[in-house]
Amino acid sequence: DTGVSQDPRHKITKRGQNVTFRCDPISEHNRLYWYRQTLGQGPEFLTYFQNEAQLEKSRLLSDRFSAERPKGSFSTLEIQRTEQGDSAMYLCASSSQAPNEKLFFGSGTQLSVL
Amino acid sequence: AQSVTQPDIHITVSEGASLELRCNYSYGATPYLFWYVQSPGQGLQLLLKYFSGDTLVQGIKGFEAEFKRSQSSFNLRKPSVHWSDAAEYFCAVGDSGGYNKLIFGAGTRLAVHP
Repeated sequence: DTGVSQDPRHKITKRGQNVTFRCDPISEHNRLYWYRQTLGQGPEFLTYFQNEAQLEKSRLLSDRFSAERPKGSFSTLEIQRTEQGDSAMYLCASSSQAPNEKLFFGSGTQLSVL
Repeated sequence: AQSVTQPDIHITVSEGASLELRCNYSYGATPYLFWYVQSPGQGLQLLLKYFSGDTLVQGIKGFEAEFKRSQSSFNLRKPSVHWSDAAEYFCAVGDSGGYNKLIFGAGTRLAVHP
């Protein structure tokens, strides 16, 4: 499979715990995005990487959230001290560098904070 | 503020009937417009996009959309719906010439009756 893969597919955690999600983009894509989708809503932009550089972060991304893409390939999204409001689907997408090039989305990681 | 409105939360059509999903946007500059489809357990898939030129855009799976600047609309249409079209549909707007920081609508869930 050469699409965008995300791991895990589902994560259940207790409030206050830390969680980390992984995204493997399409190998030749140098742009990587994280979006968050809550029930009944469309995805909301969280952050964007070009290669290993994080070029934009949404104000939705509080200090408890951190994302990395250390070698310009896979990316991780960590949430510290999870809260119930963090429960959502976390979507990763990748694209090539051409302007407004099509996004390829992964299937997402569904986070449930109890 | 930039926004996308999808007025219909749920739509039900009979198989073989025509379909129109509505999308209205608010955007200060020339919008780049997209329609994505999300099936259960699968990632978002791009159906079509509008950047410039012909205001009637053809996409995959027999879908088309028409950009109407005077109405700030980008409605999605299909002449004959198949049962496999049942999914959630998202309209999105993005910056011109930039990376894919998209603003999504809340989505329209389509059900197809046999």
